[in-house]
Amino acid sequence: DAKTTQPTSMDCAEGRAANLPCNHSTISGNEYVYWYRQIHSQGPQYIIHGLKNNETNEMASLIITEDRKSSTLILPHATLRDTAVYYCIVRVTSGSRLTFGEGTQLTVNP
Amino acid sequence: DTAVSQTPKYLVTQMGNDKSIKCEQNLGHDTMYWYKQDSKKFLKIMFSYNNKELIINETVPNRFSPKSPDKAHLNLHINSLELGDSAVYFCASSQSDRGLGDTQYFGPGTRLTVL
Repeated sequence: DAKTTQPTSMDCAEGRAANLPCNHSTISGNEYVYWYRQIHSQGPQYIIHGLKNNETNEMASLIITEDRKSSTLILPHATLRDTAVYYCIVRVTSGSRLTFGEGTQLTVNP
Repeated sequence: DTAVSQTPKYLVTQMGNDKSIKCEQNLGHDTMYWYKQDSKKFLKIMFSYNNKELIINETVPNRFSPKSPDKAHLNLHINSLELGDSAVYFCASSQSDRGLGDTQYFGPGTRLTVL
């Protein structure tokens, strides 16, 4: 699976959009971009995933660049409960392994 | 109803003991996993079972033995516990072990402390 690079930490004001970047410059054509988050002391929670096109669900939006070498997770209106570590993971479609990196600690401030 | 549940939530034990952590999923998934999160917060896969068959076995000491009595359960048994086994252990499940965009659902974790 391709390696990902994320900032160690980010801050965001409550009610504002949180934009979390991820670089995956060695991504292969058969690899998806996944985002999970882990709120303190809880199990990781799936957020969203995509291959080429931008994706949106009730939790977030995922913007993938045309060359697929980077992506951005967008939480449109961050709340205090969105404070968590966010993991960007690149994963092949034929395998089940999720390889977690260090992630980005997002802190949403009141 | 909890989709993926683990028991116990906390486990404190002495070095050298044998202990088990239980995991159950009620999602009807075919694949289950065990992950370990150490004190530095790195989350690493340990095992994966698909329909009761082992499909991933990372470089884990053979003191760790997963057991899947049926596809809704994947228990983790640990023999001769060592200090370094102290960590949070997460169980997860997914619809299958391959395919397009398969999603894993995680349990709440079991915090194991070895004294």
